[in-house]
Amino acid sequence: ETGVTQTPRHLVMGMTNKKSLKCEQHLGHNAMYWYKQSAKKPLELMFVYNFKEQTENNSVPSRFSPECPNSSHLFLHLHTLQPEDSALYLCASSQESGRYNEQFFGPGTRLTVL
Amino acid sequence: TQLLEQSPQFLSIQEGENLTVYCNSSSVFSSLQWYRQEPGEGPVLLVTVVTGGEVKKLKRLTFQFGDARKDSSLHITAAQPGDTGLYLCAGAPNSNLFFGTGTRLTVIP
Repeated sequence: ETGVTQTPRHLVMGMTNKKSLKCEQHLGHNAMYWYKQSAKKPLELMFVYNFKEQTENNSVPSRFSPECPNSSHLFLHLHTLQPEDSALYLCASSQESGRYNEQFFGPGTRLTVL
Repeated sequence: TQLLEQSPQFLSIQEGENLTVYCNSSSVFSSLQWYRQEPGEGPVLLVTVVTGGEVKKLKRLTFQFGDARKDSSLHITAAQPGDTGLYLCAGAPNSNLFFGTGTRLTVIP
């Protein structure tokens, strides 16, 4: 495996379900990110982890809970979501966090909340 | 209001035509990045521009950073179907990237 991988690629869940999204990067990077991409909004930054420490929570509702056990893995735990949370969730990584670092994105998880 | 506005939002052109996509803001950025996102994939970085007035070329793509570092443009010469995708500009007023509203380009063979 190379680059940034995400699983699952597609997920359908009910509002009462609990599920997790997984991201893994094979680039030796130290920063990882979660983004939300909706049809009618720009790509929105959700969380930033730098050297396994969360450095940014962009006012994300608590029904989204990130976890970064090591620099290569990032999870997004989901519970009691709303239909408006349906979107493409993208994971990215970079050498370190910061404005000049190129971010490498995974293919995303297409989430549908019924 | 969006931090980075892109225009046009949608663009459909014939193969071989030229096009320009714009990214505008009222804020000053120390750098701007351009990404392309193809269906079913995440965005991929095309270029980073850092200096006001800078012009960078990547084969048939020409990127320009405005003198005041508030805007940028992407010009594609002789567009090809492989250029089809969502083009995103992104800037970092602080340590995090903010993405533009995007331009969805379709090149018809």
